[in-house]
Amino acid sequence: SQTIHQWPATLVQPVGSPLSLECTVEGTSNPNLYWYRQAAGRGLQLLFYSVGIGQISSEVPQNLSASRPQDRQFILSSKKLLLSDSGFYLCAWSEGRGNTDTQYFGPGTRLTVL
Amino acid sequence: QKEVEQNSGPLSVPEGAIASLNCTYSDRGSQSFFWYRQYSGKSPELIMFIYSNGDKEDGRFTAQLNKASQYVSLLIRDSQPSDSATYLCAVDYGQNFVFGPGTRLSVLP
Repeated sequence: SQTIHQWPATLVQPVGSPLSLECTVEGTSNPNLYWYRQAAGRGLQLLFYSVGIGQISSEVPQNLSASRPQDRQFILSSKKLLLSDSGFYLCAWSEGRGNTDTQYFGPGTRLTVL
Repeated sequence: QKEVEQNSGPLSVPEGAIASLNCTYSDRGSQSFFWYRQYSGKSPELIMFIYSNGDKEDGRFTAQLNKASQYVSLLIRDSQPSDSATYLCAVDYGQNFVFGPGTRLSVLP
């Protein structure tokens, strides 16, 4: 069965510091991968998605970036965090094929920028 | 712009009642529709998906899709306090999902 991991689970960072969040998926190959952010009391905002190694699409202009160095690894980064970057960051995966492409979420990383 | 709308709630129902959650979407080209449940502080978990007009049942949950009216709903029968959560509607627009803001459900013992 497939499993998705995210770390760290929680993070408190000062404004202007760098960020690196990691997501890995087990039990599947060549998945589609997604990064979402959920601000407090808000809906899910798609940040990036990837259909393969090195292929990243950005949905929202921001100071964040994403990379996919390996098939089942997805990394979210920032060089300098802003207060507005606080939120719940969720990684998701899908098979990327078939008529119904269900997305499954990891446990999330709660980021607080002070 | 592709939008998904939900009543933010909270929707309060007594234990044992039927909870009805609704979602409307803007793009008629949408093919697949998903319901997720999100407990406070946790990540969303899939309840069910639907892509054909009509009803789809899974245990106490029934999803209903009406593409002509562009709405999808989720019924929860015999609601339990453990069903208290935020329910997210998601629409697959081909490349990506668009999520609604969620409806907060509270089941009162």
